[in-house]
Amino acid sequence: DAGITQSPRHKVTETGTPVTLRCHQTENHRYMYWYRQDPGHGLRLIHYSYGVKDTDKGEVSDGYSVSRSKTEDFLLTLESATSSQTSVYFCAIRAAVTVASEAFFGQGTRLTVV
Amino acid sequence: DQQVKQNSPSLSVQEGRISILNCDYTNSMFDYFLWYKKYPAEGPTFLISISSIKDKNEDGRFTVFLNKSAKHLSLHIVPSQPGDSAVYFCAASGPTGNQFYFGTGTSLTVIP
Repeated sequence: DAGITQSPRHKVTETGTPVTLRCHQTENHRYMYWYRQDPGHGLRLIHYSYGVKDTDKGEVSDGYSVSRSKTEDFLLTLESATSSQTSVYFCAIRAAVTVASEAFFGQGTRLTVV
Repeated sequence: DQQVKQNSPSLSVQEGRISILNCDYTNSMFDYFLWYKKYPAEGPTFLISISSIKDKNEDGRFTVFLNKSAKHLSLHIVPSQPGDSAVYFCAASGPTGNQFYFGTGTSLTVIP
């Protein structure tokens, strides 16, 4: 199994509060991703990183920010949580973006915004 | 707009028979395709992939077929086993390869 740890695994928070989810990898992979999984939508990309301090937006980035100060850590922050951000969040890592390079996923974080 | 589509939310198959999961895509620039398997309360796990220079890739009981002209790929599982019961996602990426685009998933149930 790829060395990816997401924390926390479960979180309940109130609307309007900031929330930070952490993804930690031990594989020294360059690329890291944050996805959310929702019924009827599959997995949708929020933000991704292609190196330390290098990040870019995905298709559902509104309301989220990310930071990557070290190769091994990729943080996802909800500045002011809303009920629409209740979801399961997955971090993924990938060694390269060449053909035949799959991504490995973490176990997920279930976030509930009440 | 969903660039990768899985039009069958669910599929039930008898143990030992073939499972065929389908996926369609709209972006002709996609050149790398993958299938992931996901059990409840776990992250997706990589199953099999195929690049656009091929039309078939096989790994044990799993075979992925790619029809570029139809922008369609399928995953065949033969023979199906109860442990194959999971949600299957197809994914695609383009030449820059920076991100994967996922379908909505198909929930496979293999009946013993």
